[in-house]
Amino acid sequence: AQTVTQSQPEMSVQEAETVTLSCTYDTSESDYYLFWYKQPPSRQMILVIRQEAYKQQNATENRFSVNFQKAAKSFSLKISDSQLGDAAMYFCAYRSAKWRNTGNQFYFGTGTSLTVIP
Amino acid sequence: KAGVTQTPRYLIKTRGQQVTLSCSPISGHRSVSWYQQTPGQGLQFLFEYFSETQRNKGNFPGRFSGRQFSNSRSEMNVSTLELGDSALYLCASSLSNGRAYNEQFFGPGTRLTVL
Repeated sequence: AQTVTQSQPEMSVQEAETVTLSCTYDTSESDYYLFWYKQPPSRQMILVIRQEAYKQQNATENRFSVNFQKAAKSFSLKISDSQLGDAAMYFCAYRSAKWRNTGNQFYFGTGTSLTVIP
Repeated sequence: KAGVTQTPRYLIKTRGQQVTLSCSPISGHRSVSWYQQTPGQGLQFLFEYFSETQRNKGNFPGRFSGRQFSNSRSEMNVSTLELGDSALYLCASSLSNGRAYNEQFFGPGTRLTVL
């Protein structure tokens, strides 16, 4: 089974600075999708960014970007120009591309709690 | 378009009781997944329903069950509640229409406390 590991339970960053959250995963598959989800204190999980494993180019969404290292099975999230609203729990998630066989199951890491210091 | 809704938002039960949680997916979404979230454990996959059929199941005891109705609404049931079942239960829906990927959209969750 696939596993997703987030080794940083807590991180903090000064407002306007840059922070990188780490994520590693274990899989024997070659085709899959990776996601970063954000869960603010209000609890509604929202998608931050996604990456298709077959794409070498790192995904970018405004201030959020990823560093996808397929060989190393690493998928880190970089938040630039951190804002107070970025404070949340961040979850890294994996989903197989073979959804017809495995269904729509997502594998999540244990999360990283990000604090933004004014 | 309305988001994923879950009812109730909060629930307090005692050991041995049973509970039913409800989830209404985004209109047009046919896949509904359930997760249990506890501190330090992250999100643990319970099961996924697609077109009224359980398509995938996580490693949870048989006390946890679910179903999906023809309108894609889903319910999750936990029988003989234990203290360890206290958690935030999240529901997520997705199109699951065979396209390249299907983002999951999450509901606000139901906070279950077992006393």
